[in-house]
Amino acid sequence: GNSVTQMEGPVTLSEEAFLTINCTYTATGYPSLFWYVQYPGEGLQLLLKATKADDKGSNKGFEATYRKETTSFHLEKGSVQVSDSAVYFCAPPSYNTDKLIFGTGTRLQVFP
Amino acid sequence: DVKVTQSSRYLVKRTGEKVFLECVQDMDHENMFWYRQDPGLGLRLIYFSYDVKMKEKGDIPEGYSVSREKKERFSLILESASTNQTSMYLCASSGHRSTEAFFGQGTRLTVV
Repeated sequence: GNSVTQMEGPVTLSEEAFLTINCTYTATGYPSLFWYVQYPGEGLQLLLKATKADDKGSNKGFEATYRKETTSFHLEKGSVQVSDSAVYFCAPPSYNTDKLIFGTGTRLQVFP
Repeated sequence: DVKVTQSSRYLVKRTGEKVFLECVQDMDHENMFWYRQDPGLGLRLIYFSYDVKMKEKGDIPEGYSVSREKKERFSLILESASTNQTSMYLCASSGHRSTEAFFGQGTRLTVV
């Protein structure tokens, strides 16, 4: 079945630093790809998505490009803020069902 | 405002008790999910339901069962709670072939 590999955390950065969180996937076909974010004490919420190869998803200053040649969907942000401190999950759905699987999550800690 | 509601935020149960975790969604979604979240292990799928009375095992179904008698409600059942089931439990829902899942705020279950 489909799977994801996500970089381990925690990632610790100073405010305004550049962020990259790596995510690679294995999949049958070309599924949509997602990044979810979990702020402290909350459930997950969708951060951004890309539905086909070479698509770039973006939201709240975060970006991720769907690269089928490297089977990657890395999350980036040019200048992080303390409020970005959260756990980030990469998630491709299974191609043939709606079953949602997630990576292990990467905790981001941003200090002033 | 779309919503996935879990019946309890915090729950403490004794070993051997039968435990019910309830989840209700108001978006008429076909798919519902139960995950558990543990430090270092990310989000692991316990069970998935793609229609009323239909279910599919996730990665860690042992010790759990589920019930989906109505479209809006998905229950997770711990037949005989054990201490290794102490965890954060997250419910989610999504539409068929949807591009987004919606999560509840989670239930932190402690089994003593």
